[in-house]
Amino acid sequence: KQEVTQIPAALSVPEGENLVLNCSFTDSAIYNLQWFRQDPGKGLTSLLLIQSSQREQTSGRLNASLDKSSGRSTLYIAASQPGDSATYLCAVIGSSASKIIFGSGTRLSIRP
Amino acid sequence: SAVISQKPSRDICQRGTSLTIQCQVDSQVTMMFWYRQQPGQSLTLIATANQGSEATYESGFVIDKFPISRPNLTFSTLTVSNMSPEDSSIYLCSVGTGVNEQFFGPGTRLTVL
Repeated sequence: KQEVTQIPAALSVPEGENLVLNCSFTDSAIYNLQWFRQDPGKGLTSLLLIQSSQREQTSGRLNASLDKSSGRSTLYIAASQPGDSATYLCAVIGSSASKIIFGSGTRLSIRP
Repeated sequence: SAVISQKPSRDICQRGTSLTIQCQVDSQVTMMFWYRQQPGQSLTLIATANQGSEATYESGFVIDKFPISRPNLTFSTLTVSNMSPEDSSIYLCSVGTGVNEQFFGPGTRLTVL
């Protein structure tokens, strides 16, 4: 059974710092991995999708990497801003491509 | 990508009543899902809404409590029946694209008194 873990559960850093959020999964036979952002009380916004054949994806200040063999993904945020404050969720779709399993999220706070 | 809307955005309901949540997508999609997010928790899949057939429910969720309709490829409803305070959550619908990228609606914030 696939399990997805995100560490740390919460992170607070001053504005301008670069930071890394971690996601690990137990079954390396994944179809793809997706990173989301969720603002309090809101829905999820898709940030980056990494397909199983890819090793990383970039969008603006965000870079996500995927290492299937070790069961890990990281989300790198460069030059953090207060507007980046949110909960970040990673999710994997297994090889059956039928359902998505979410991590518990990292609550990020960027201090001005 | 897909643009998804949900109605209502939030509601406060009395114990024992039912609420139907609507999910509308701007394009035809095969895969549509309903999730629940309890306060301070991550997302839990309730069911996969299948067009033209009964929804597929995950362990711990039953049709009598969470009936789902999927009359076409752009629309679905989730009903939360006989509500109790434990049903207070954010309910989200999502769709999967051809590469199984998931897109989510804005969510429905339900409070049961």
